[in-house]
Amino acid sequence: EVQLVESGGGLVQPGRSLTLSCAASEFTFIHYYMAWVRQAPKKGLEWVATISSSGTTTYYPDSVRGRFTISRDNAKSSLSLQMNSLKSEDTATYYCARRHTRGAFWDYWGQGVMVTVSS
Amino acid sequence: DIQMTQSPASLSASLGETISIECLTSGGISNYLAWYQQKPGKAPQLLIYGGRSLQDGAPSRFSGSGSGTQYSLKISDIQPEDEGIYYCQQGYTYPLTFGSGTKLEIK
Repeated sequence: EVQLVESGGGLVQPGRSLTLSCAASEFTFIHYYMAWVRQAPKKGLEWVATISSSGTTTYYPDSVRGRFTISRDNAKSSLSLQMNSLKSEDTATYYCARRHTRGAFWDYWGQGVMVTVSS
Repeated sequence: DIQMTQSPASLSASLGETISIECLTSGGISNYLAWYQQKPGKAPQLLIYGGRSLQDGAPSRFSGSGSGTQYSLKISDIQPEDEGIYYCQQGYTYPLTFGSGTKLEIK
């Protein structure tokens, strides 16, 4: 069974940085685009970043572009999200997700990791 | 950006009933639409992709339809485990966007 396990969340002050990690297993990681999707408390889902299978291409919405960086280590089957200049509105549960082979949808998700940005 | 307008925001249904959730997009998305179910404290689960394709493992009482800018999710013979929040999502163009969600309560 595909597994995605996030780590690295926690409480961080506004303006500081935090890096999330996602360990993938039970599938051929290098074959898949990967993404981060977040959900603020009691709110809906928001796509945060996508990275191509090779890692050479990345995509971001305007809300995080220039502050967040998605990366991957295919040798270690791991995905990362470096988050800089954090704002209170970045407070959310962050999910690591695997992109479906048939399009920009997500067929497997991790359990999520909470990030709280507060002084 | 493609805006996703999902309706209704909430609904209540009885066991065995059939309901539909609608998703309107601000531009055509060529069936690059997915539906997810999310239960409290859990990650979303993919139900439908490509507008009408059932994801492996999703119950067959879930079905998707639509084209252009109008899509819908139908849930037939509603079961207690169908309670949760349903989201549509377009995978046609970046930025990828979600609907605001529909909360389904089982009476």
